[in-house]
Amino acid sequence: DQQVKQNSPSLSVQEGRISILNCDYTNSMFDYFLWYKKYPAEGPTFLISISSIKDKNEDGRFTVFLNKSAKHLSLHIVPSQPGDSAVYFCAASASPNTGNQFYFGTGTSLTVIP
Amino acid sequence: NAGVTQTPKFRVLKTGQSMTLLCAQDMNHEYMYWYRQDPGMGLRLIHYSVGEGTTAKGEVPDGYNVSRLKKQNFLLGLESAAPSQTSVYFCAVWEGQVAYEQYFGPGTRLTVT
Repeated sequence: DQQVKQNSPSLSVQEGRISILNCDYTNSMFDYFLWYKKYPAEGPTFLISISSIKDKNEDGRFTVFLNKSAKHLSLHIVPSQPGDSAVYFCAASASPNTGNQFYFGTGTSLTVIP
Repeated sequence: NAGVTQTPKFRVLKTGQSMTLLCAQDMNHEYMYWYRQDPGMGLRLIHYSVGEGTTAKGEVPDGYNVSRLKKQNFLLGLESAAPSQTSVYFCAVWEGQVAYEQYFGPGTRLTVT
């Protein structure tokens, strides 16, 4: 059963506007969450992360919000740029409780329209 | 400093053939992982290793074997390829301590006919 879910397979946003990508998880033991960005024919690259002791982490145009009670996290990109067009994966870990494994969502394909 | 490299980049196999995918890292990270990416399925963990000489099963280990004889290399083997193993395979490494981000290789696209 999928422990990390991204229910929106795709998202289109105008350049300059905000992109909001969502992720839900089921395992309450998860204590660290990450977002990765993936361009076609490349491996995923790390974007931003958040520990369960925080509810927000910001890095430039990217902000991740964590709502532990709802088991929900979101990635905000402001302002969105055409170069942000990629597939975004969220991932979660409860190391060492999950044996140092990372669980990934199915991805959301973001298209930023110029 | 190449980071994480994967060999080969592409491969086409016939059903029943065998092959080995190589992941090599120069980051001196302890943990190494093999994932497969399929449409609508995201990244699924096949096997992983927490250090030289160790391996463990992930979510979808059936049909695959792995070995970590040297710290810098993690091999993924398919003994008898099946069309269901057509996928893009990614290797990743993790330092295993403070920072949680994994570093991924560029991927191997495998087609089994």
